[in-house]
Order: sequence, then C-alpha cells, then structure tokens
Amino acid sequence: QKEVEQDPGPLSVPEGAIVSLNCTYSNSAFQYFMWYRQYSRKGPELLMYTYSSGNKEDGRFTAQVDKSSKYISLFIRDSQPSDSATYLCAMSSAGGTSYGKLTFGQGTILTVHP
Amino acid sequence: GAVVSQHPSWVICKSGTSVKIECRSLDFQATTMFWYRQFPKQSLMLMATSNEGSKATYEQGVEKDKFLINHASLTLSTLTVTSAHPEDSSFYICSASRGGSGNTIYFGEGSWLTVV
Repeated sequence: QKEVEQDPGPLSVPEGAIVSLNCTYSNSAFQYFMWYRQYSRKGPELLMYTYSSGNKEDGRFTAQVDKSSKYISLFIRDSQPSDSATYLCAMSSAGGTSYGKLTFGQGTILTVHP
Repeated sequence: GAVVSQHPSWVICKSGTSVKIECRSLDFQATTMFWYRQFPKQSLMLMATSNEGSKATYEQGVEKDKFLINHASLTLSTLTVTSAHPEDSSFYICSASRGGSGNTIYFGEGSWLTVV
C-alpha cells in the first residue's frame, strides 16, 4: 500500500465548475500538507499549504485536512481553462531540516474545457 | 520569480557518459536541498537529501555511486548521473526551503534527461 493515494483521473470539467481533488494517506505522522500544481514538463508550483487539521482558503482555492480520517482535499471554485494541469498532494512528517522531504500522491490530471 | 533555479533544462547524452545537473537557491541560503525523479505520468519520488558540507542521504533503492550529489555551498547542489543508461532518462527536480518547518518549499523548473 502506498503511503499517499491519489486518484490519477483524468478529470474533465466544464469551465465554471467546482473541482474536488482528494488524497488519503496512511502515515499518521504526517503533519504538513501541501497541494502543488504542475504543468507539463515544468516543476511543481505550490498552491496551498496547511499544517495539521483544518481548512484554508486562498482565492478560488480551499484546502481541507482531516487528520482523523487521514484525508485531504483541494477545492477549486469557478474553474478556468488555465487551471488545466496535474495536481499533486504532498505531505511531510518531519520538522527541522528534514521538513522538505515530501511524499507525493500520484497526481490528478485536470482538464477544464471552455 | 523563480527562487530555485535548475540548469540545464534539457540535456541529451550518450549512453555511458556522465551528466551534471545544477540546483541553485537564488536569494536564500539552503543548508538542505532535495532531489526528486519523475518518470512520465508518474509522481515525484525522492531520491536523496543534499546536505551542505556533508554527504548526501539517499533513499532506499537509489544507487549513491550512480547519482553523485555534491552540496559545496549554501546556494548550490549538483546531481551527477554517472555512466548514464537509457533507463536513467527522466525528469529530475530539486527543491529547497527558505527555513525550517512551516516554510515554503520551492521547486526548481526541473531538468529533462534523455540518454540515447
């Protein structure tokens, strides 16, 4: 069983739709949760960062973390064609200099069509 | 703008040769950097932790003699793929954080390696 499970999709939605992306994980030590967006042949770009459980909102993006269920979500409101990309969840369990050791989900390919 | 830079973005090399990829933190010092590998349509897999002034720490299954990592300064880590083979063809990405826990982790733009 992988430490982090993410539905690879692909996910195709019409412009303006609400998109829900999810990851589950098995390692209860994970404390830091992130969502990255990756365009084809580019490095990941940080979208959202959450420490421990809770919700965080930034513009059209909302991240939720439920540590009791080991489940995290990213919601995209009013989706745009420019949101078309691969979305990766990532998690870290350690502090200090090992904080940057991330475990990634498989990534979900999202296409928003006009 | 980018805070972590990688070079080269693309490289093609012949089988058996070695290739060096650079990762630089542009406006901050990074005592620790991380190297990932991503095969097509797969996620990022951590290869190793690059530690400034000391040996890198490799993840299980990653050959340290094949993937040489040097972190000689607080702003530069290099990954050298030695005696490259076609199966080493992949997207290599580095990351660094401005500080400790809770700080943003920045990724480089990645380096595409094709071994022919």
